[in-house]
Amino acid sequence: AQSVAQPEDQVNVAEGNPLTVKCTYSVSGNPYLFWYVQYPNRGLQFLLKYITGDNLVKGSYGFEAEFNKSQTSFHLKKPSALVSDSALYFCAVRPGGANNLFFGTGTRLTVIP
Amino acid sequence: GAVVSQHPSWVICKSGTSVKIECRSLDFQATTMFWYRQFPKQSLMLMATSNEGSKATYEQGVEKDKFLINHASLTLSTLTVTSAHPEDSSFYICSAQKPGLAAGELFFGEGSRLTVL
Repeated sequence: AQSVAQPEDQVNVAEGNPLTVKCTYSVSGNPYLFWYVQYPNRGLQFLLKYITGDNLVKGSYGFEAEFNKSQTSFHLKKPSALVSDSALYFCAVRPGGANNLFFGTGTRLTVIP
Repeated sequence: GAVVSQHPSWVICKSGTSVKIECRSLDFQATTMFWYRQFPKQSLMLMATSNEGSKATYEQGVEKDKFLINHASLTLSTLTVTSAHPEDSSFYICSAQKPGLAAGELFFGEGSRLTVL
């Protein structure tokens, strides 16, 4: 069965500090991996994706994520957090050959001024 | 970037009535759109895949007669919640796949919050 796990419901980080939002997955085939961000009462916005190639991918707003095949992880990172980064973050995976996405349960990031 | 518009953004209706939510891709043609449901503090649950010109594909456990999906054109998909009940109250989000981009890189609407009294 396909699954995506975001083990932390909430992550708090001080402004200016590095942040990490964790994601692990269990899917068949070679997955496509994604991170999306959701602001209150809004739809999701695409941040970045991993399809193939370099394990470290860079995305919007200074975010990056590292694909680790052996650990089946795709953690989202940013070197220096901003208050405006506070939002709900979703990891998503598209299993090989599938057309739809499976989402994690989301992690609420709060950046403290 | 591509724009997906959802309307209405919020709606309140009485129990037993039907509500239609529209999802439009404004600057590209989308042969495939997806409808999700999101409960408070929970993830997005895929309800169905909407295919232009053909019947929608529903996920297991989603009542197709309850949640009617129509994808009549390459830029419009509609979700109709029929005979709505309070347990149908939720945040409904659509997404569209832009041709030429990696499958899974979806563009999402702003969501529609349905409250059934």
